[in-house]
Amino acid sequence: AQTVTQSQPEMSVQEAETVTLSCTYDTSESDYYLFWYKQPPSRQMILVIRQEAYKQQNATENRFSVNFQKAAKSFSLKISDSQLGDAAMYFCAYRKGYGGSQGNLIFGKGTKLSVKP
Amino acid sequence: DVKVTQSSRYLVKRTGEKVFLECVQDMDHENMFWYRQDPGLGLRLIYFSYDVKMKEKGDIPEGYSVSREKKERFSLILESASTNQTSMYLCASSSLGRVWETQYFGPGTRLLVL
Repeated sequence: AQTVTQSQPEMSVQEAETVTLSCTYDTSESDYYLFWYKQPPSRQMILVIRQEAYKQQNATENRFSVNFQKAAKSFSLKISDSQLGDAAMYFCAYRKGYGGSQGNLIFGKGTKLSVKP
Repeated sequence: DVKVTQSSRYLVKRTGEKVFLECVQDMDHENMFWYRQDPGLGLRLIYFSYDVKMKEKGDIPEGYSVSREKKERFSLILESASTNQTSMYLCASSSLGRVWETQYFGPGTRLLVL
C-alpha cells in the first residue's frame, strides 16, 4: 500500500526567508501524481502545487516550487520569500494515475508552518 | 470557480444522536469524498462515491454511512454518534475523467459529540 510521510510536524520561518517542507512516499507504481495542499487556520484547504511523476521538470508556482526526486521517492516543497499569509498546515498527498479509485488521495500527517514577522 | 459547501461549520450533538453532514458541489463532479481530520493523524478517508447511488468504503468507515441520491450531493451519516467521533469532517469532490486534477475541498464541519 502507498504511504506518505511528512517527518516535520512543525516548522518555523522568518518572514521573507525560504523554508523547505519534506515529504517522502512509498509506492510501486510508475504513474502517479503528487500534491501539496495548504490549510490556513479555520479556512478551506487549497491546492498549492502539483507534480506529475512522468515529468522530470520540477513544478513551480510563483514563490512555491518542488524538488521531486523520483528515485528517492521524495517530494519537498520550497517556499521562497515567506509571507505571513503562508502560515498554515501543509499536507503532502499522493494519487495513482489510473485505476478504479483513481480519485483517491493518500495524505501525509501534515506540517504546521509558522511565519515570524 | 469550483464550490464545495458543507451544511454546517460547527455542530454540537449528544452521544447516541443520529447526525447528518451534508455536502454539495456545483462542478458536476463524479467523485465525492468524506474525510476525517484529527491533529497528528492528517486526513483519513471515510467513504467515497464515484457515481450516484454508488459508494465505497475508505480507510475508516466504521460507525459511518453515506448517501448519494443526486450527483451534486453527498451525505455523511453518523447513525449513533459517539464521543470518539468528535472531529473535523471535510468533504471533497473531483472529476472522474481528469485524473490530473486536484480534489476541491469544502470548508469543513467541526463536530463535537458530548
